[in-house]
Amino acid sequence: DADVTQTPRNRITKTGKRIMLECSQTKGHDRMYWYRQDPGLGLRLIYYSFDVKDINKGEISDGYSVSRQAQAKFSLSLESAIPNQTALYFCATSDPGQGDGYTFGSGTRLTVV
Amino acid sequence: DAKTTQPPSMDCAEGRAANLPCNHSTISGNEYVYWYRQIHSQGPQYIIHGLKNNETNEMASLIITEDRKSSTLILPHATLRDTAVYYCIVRVGGYNKLIFGAGTRLAVHP
Repeated sequence: DADVTQTPRNRITKTGKRIMLECSQTKGHDRMYWYRQDPGLGLRLIYYSFDVKDINKGEISDGYSVSRQAQAKFSLSLESAIPNQTALYFCATSDPGQGDGYTFGSGTRLTVV
Repeated sequence: DAKTTQPPSMDCAEGRAANLPCNHSTISGNEYVYWYRQIHSQGPQYIIHGLKNNETNEMASLIITEDRKSSTLILPHATLRDTAVYYCIVRVGGYNKLIFGAGTRLAVHP
């Protein structure tokens, strides 16, 4: 099993719908992150969490919300999806005690029509 | 976190060393240099990081200049599977978020 699992892998949804992207990890790391990537661009940070009780906004949090249900689970929600949220979404974990190298999931490709 | 500058693209012949440069002239004394790569649309993969000394692991070597204002990632024997976008990131290790720039698109050709 992958260290960081994202579901679904692909999703097409309609404008105005609420959608949740899920991320779970088996690394035992406290820190988790959500990034989005638009075609040809680098990743941009949406939200991050340094432990279960800690949630922080990243560069582009507008239109998104997150929930840290447990150490291993970090979900990203789009309350009312819009077409410019069409992107590739990545979840990641890190552990500062291990050189803080991040481990990324395989991504969720979201299309909002 | 300090800003980095990387060339947008580079080419390398298979079997040769790929040397990817990164400028980070405003780096602070407590900031590390991290390298990640992203193959096609997969999740980025951690490669290596360092503070001031040169580092080597099974994937690559990292050479940091004495003044720490630039660094070079070296893939000693590039293969076609090393074709990817390589990101150089400077940050205070363990305490700050990972912020990505545009990276260098490396194409390894036969």
